Amino acid sequence: ETGVTQTPRHLVMGMTNKKSLKCEQHLGHNAMYWYKQSAKKPLELMFVYNFKEQTENNSVPSRFSPECPNSSHLFLHLHTLQPEDSALYLCASSQDLTERNQPQHFGDGTRLSIL
Amino acid sequence: GEDVEQSLFLSVREGDSSVINCTYTDSSSTYLYWYKQEPGAGLQLLTYIFSNMDMKQDQRLTVLLNKKDKHLSLRIADTQTGDSAIYFCAVPSGAGSYQLTFGKGTKLSVIP
Repeated sequence: ETGVTQTPRHLVMGMTNKKSLKCEQHLGHNAMYWYKQSAKKPLELMFVYNFKEQTENNSVPSRFSPECPNSSHLFLHLHTLQPEDSALYLCASSQDLTERNQPQHFGDGTRLSIL
Repeated sequence: GEDVEQSLFLSVREGDSSVINCTYTDSSSTYLYWYKQEPGAGLQLLTYIFSNMDMKQDQRLTVLLNKKDKHLSLRIADTQTGDSAIYFCAVPSGAGSYQLTFGKGTKLSVIP
């Protein structure tokens, strides 16, 4: 149990569907992250939130829309995805965004398959 | 930007030691991390080392840091089948950065 819970664990959707991924952390952290993990590629940072404010958007297509209603919850809204978006989507949290030791704690991910 | 390199595969016999290596490019890195990913799971923080240290030991895990060569290694003593997983090295993406750059991961296979 890492303290970071992601739902659903698996999701299969068509390219025209709209779905959302959910992440909840019980660690009292203030920063939350979305990563994409594809086979044979390094982990890709997508979005970062600190105290509910978005601080990073690493050139992510607009078909991915994040939402952070409070420091404990993070969503990733999906719309009109492409087959190349099939991947494992990982959520992580850390205390905040200072330079000191800030290990990130990860959830188990949502395995997304686009038909 | 930061570049982190790891070999992709390592195979060892149960009971032997495993050494997983990582090289990075940004010498301003402060904390450097090792994560473990088991099948179907997310990344689990294993251990970390601060850049002013050369070595850190935690039970079966030993982290060695060579700042001059920008080389980080993770040694697992008495490797068990439960250690089979993908191991990721992660370093800050630049001076003062909270973002982490991850290597592609080393898949450790333990042969019984």
